[in-house]
Amino acid sequence: IVMTQTPLSLSVTPGQPASISCKSSQSLRHRDGKTYFYWYQQKPGQSPQLLIYEVSNRFSGVPDRFSGSGSGTDFTLKFSRVEAEDVGLYFCMQAVDYPFTFGPGTKVDI
Amino acid sequence: EVQLVESGGGLAQPGGSLRLSCVCSGFMFSGYEMNWVRQAPGKGLEWLSYINTRATTTYYADSVRGRFTISRDNAENSVFLQMNSLRAEDAAVYYCVRTSGPIIFDYWGQGTVVTVSS
Repeated sequence: IVMTQTPLSLSVTPGQPASISCKSSQSLRHRDGKTYFYWYQQKPGQSPQLLIYEVSNRFSGVPDRFSGSGSGTDFTLKFSRVEAEDVGLYFCMQAVDYPFTFGPGTKVDI
Repeated sequence: EVQLVESGGGLAQPGGSLRLSCVCSGFMFSGYEMNWVRQAPGKGLEWLSYINTRATTTYYADSVRGRFTISRDNAENSVFLQMNSLRAEDAAVYYCVRTSGPIIFDYWGQGTVVTVSS
């Protein structure tokens, strides 16, 4: 399954909203009814961290300014208000089938 | 506190071998599935391998199948990646990553760097 992200680079203004899109080459809805789609954040010099799981569930400790939405093959990560600490790379990933595959990443800077 | 600490990276010659280790703490290791993911310099993320809780099921990416082997020792709270027949394109930061049921890759290690060069 091929994952694509747009844009690949995003320059944002603190306090303003922003969004990243991710598309998959086939539906990520499993026969069990769940959609195995994820977002990860990688801050400069750090390991990736889970932001969103199963499309729209924020992981423990993730600020509520991050939200995920979508279904099937089209997904979006939204920032209600970008903060300076949000600078980094954002990757989408599918886990509906092996091999799990990531999008190319979106670089977010201020 | 959940911790995953990788080690074993370093310089290997093309065709050589390395064995990566990941020691886990802060959770009941035997109850969690584990994975290895890598990131080549300046590149994106690539899932490599998965192992279930009892080591009865493993999966591999096509790029490493037949060359890399994942294993685990629940008594030692550790997961391993034996890497043979290394190629220049295997150079990357290798991350040990936990899966918690449907929450895929919820915790990541700090990574260990593998360089492949003659």
